[in-house]
This record gives sequence, structure tokens and C-alpha cells, in this order.
Amino acid sequence: DAGVTQSPTHLIKTRGQQVTLRCSPKSGHDTVSWYQQALGQGPQFIFQYYEEEERQRGNFPDRFSGHQFPNYSSELNVNALLLGDSALYLCASSPVARGGYTFGSGTRLTVV
Amino acid sequence: KQEVTQIPAALSVPEGENLVLNCSFTDSAIYNLQWFRQDPGKGLTSLLLIQSSQREQTSGRLNASLDKSSGRSTLYIAASQPGDSATYLCAPSGGSYIPTFGRGTSLIVHP
Repeated sequence: DAGVTQSPTHLIKTRGQQVTLRCSPKSGHDTVSWYQQALGQGPQFIFQYYEEEERQRGNFPDRFSGHQFPNYSSELNVNALLLGDSALYLCASSPVARGGYTFGSGTRLTVV
Repeated sequence: KQEVTQIPAALSVPEGENLVLNCSFTDSAIYNLQWFRQDPGKGLTSLLLIQSSQREQTSGRLNASLDKSSGRSTLYIAASQPGDSATYLCAPSGGSYIPTFGRGTSLIVHP
């Protein structure tokens, strides 16, 4: 049973560009959440998707947007990249609101 | 806003020691609390999930306790091994069911 899969593993982008990260949830999970983890910090919540809608959002600017597809997979889009957006981006899925979260291996984004 | 603090921030111990990692959170109105481990540059691996109605959970050499009223959780690691070296993160989930993370405890177990 595959867990949460994220792609790509690593990505290098130039300041001002746009990036799309992808996530496939664990089988049986319908809720997808995205986190940003800067070096030496704990993961920070970006937003959560359920039934193809953004259900919760953390303290991140509108440059960060997302989408959830009918098969529950999700994308994270970041526009107008800044150097400070360099981080590990983690996707997590959960079966229902009270279920435990399963995380993917992350996408390491470097903005130069 | 939920704030999570983990003490100690870093720990270096010889193999075989029994360890105690502490987690405190400011909002006690949580539905569950999850402990994760993270290897350098990798994703998070779930270790234990404790529902708010539970006092503890055990998995192998790991035992986690939860005292919701005082806003504390403790992860016990018995007979530590070098393979236990990682960062350990606790994450309580409140009314929105969104886990909030602290900075974690960085553990090194040396042979």
C-alpha cells in the first residue's frame, strides 16, 4: 500500500518564477494538507483541501494556492517566488478529520 | 493560537539509555496528539497517535503519554539505539483538526 507520494523530490527555481508541486494521498484518505518547513524549524501549515475545496488556511500570502482533484490528489502552486520560499514542502493526508496524518517525503525547493 | 514547545531542543546520549522527550502546548482543547520522527532532509514518519480520551499509547520501545488538562505529552524511548537518532516532533490537533508543530527535539544516540 503506497503511502503519500510527492513529486518532484528536488527543484531549483529562479526568483520571480512560478512552481507547482504535486501530491498523491495515501489510499483511503480524502483530505490533503500542505506544510512548509524551513531549515531548523517545525513544519508550518499552509492549507488543507477536502472535497476539492480549501477548508483551512494558515498564515501564508495569496501567492500560495492549491487545488484538489476528484481522485483526491493535490497541487501546491507558488507564484512570484522569493528567496525565502526555499524550504522543504510536505504533503500530508488523513482519512477523516480525527484521523492521524500520514506525510510524504517532501519536495526540497531551492530559490536562487 | 496553539503554541508547541519541546524540551530539550537537543539531546546526545550513549546507546542503551532510557530517554524522556517533553512536549507542552498552550491550548488544552485538543482532539488528538501525534508524535513523529524526521530524519535529516526527509519527510515525517508517524510514531504514535493519542486520542484526547486516551492517556497513553505504546509501540515497541516507544511510549507516549498525554495529560490534556495540563497541556503536556511525554515520549519515552526505552533502551535507545543509534538508529533512533532523528528529530522528534509532537503535533497536537485542536478544533480545526490541523496539527500544530513545535521545533522538535534533535536526538543523537552514539554507540
